[in-house]
Amino acid sequence: EAGVVQSPRYKIIEKKQPVAFWCNPISGHNTLYWYLQNLGQGPELLIRYENEEAVDDSQLPKDRFSAERLKGVDSTLKIQPAELGDSAVYLCASSFTSVDTQYFGPGTRLTVL
Amino acid sequence: ELKVEQNPLFLSMQEGKNYTIYCNYSTTSDRLYWYRQDPGKSLESLFVLLSNGAVKQEGRLMASLDTKARLSTLHITAAVHDLSATYFCAVDTGNQFYFGTGTSLTVIP
Repeated sequence: EAGVVQSPRYKIIEKKQPVAFWCNPISGHNTLYWYLQNLGQGPELLIRYENEEAVDDSQLPKDRFSAERLKGVDSTLKIQPAELGDSAVYLCASSFTSVDTQYFGPGTRLTVL
Repeated sequence: ELKVEQNPLFLSMQEGKNYTIYCNYSTTSDRLYWYRQDPGKSLESLFVLLSNGAVKQEGRLMASLDTKARLSTLHITAAVHDLSATYFCAVDTGNQFYFGTGTSLTVIP
């Protein structure tokens, strides 16, 4: 069974540029999560989806970050415009339901210059 | 705001020894998760604890949850080098989901 797929794996952009990340969860998983992880710290939840509905986006900086999960399957996370402080690893995870084991993708390492 | 604290932050232990990592949280919750992360890698789920008194074991790791004390423990028995990693707990209150600070474990031969 394929795991959680993320792309790209690495992205280098200049500040003020837009960037988008894509995540394809494990088939049949209804819950999808986007996290941000800074070096040496634990992940921070950005947004959680139940199917296509965002049920927890309280930590998503909505002035520059947006996310969507059309049709309740794959998802995109966008930053526009990117700032230097956005450099981090962006992780996607999915689970069958919100109380089940989360499976994490490999992450996208973003560097903003 | 929900706070999740782990201790110790760094742990160096000899092979064969036992030790416990603690995870304290500040708000009522009966959903707690433990994860492992190897350097440069993504996270791997270890345990899902969904009720007071829940105990789960996998190999040399055992996790427990005391919702009244707002405390979870991850106990390591007879540590081996392969357990060297960073361990995170995470708490879900339903509308807040926070990870702990992480415990970096190094098992020394």
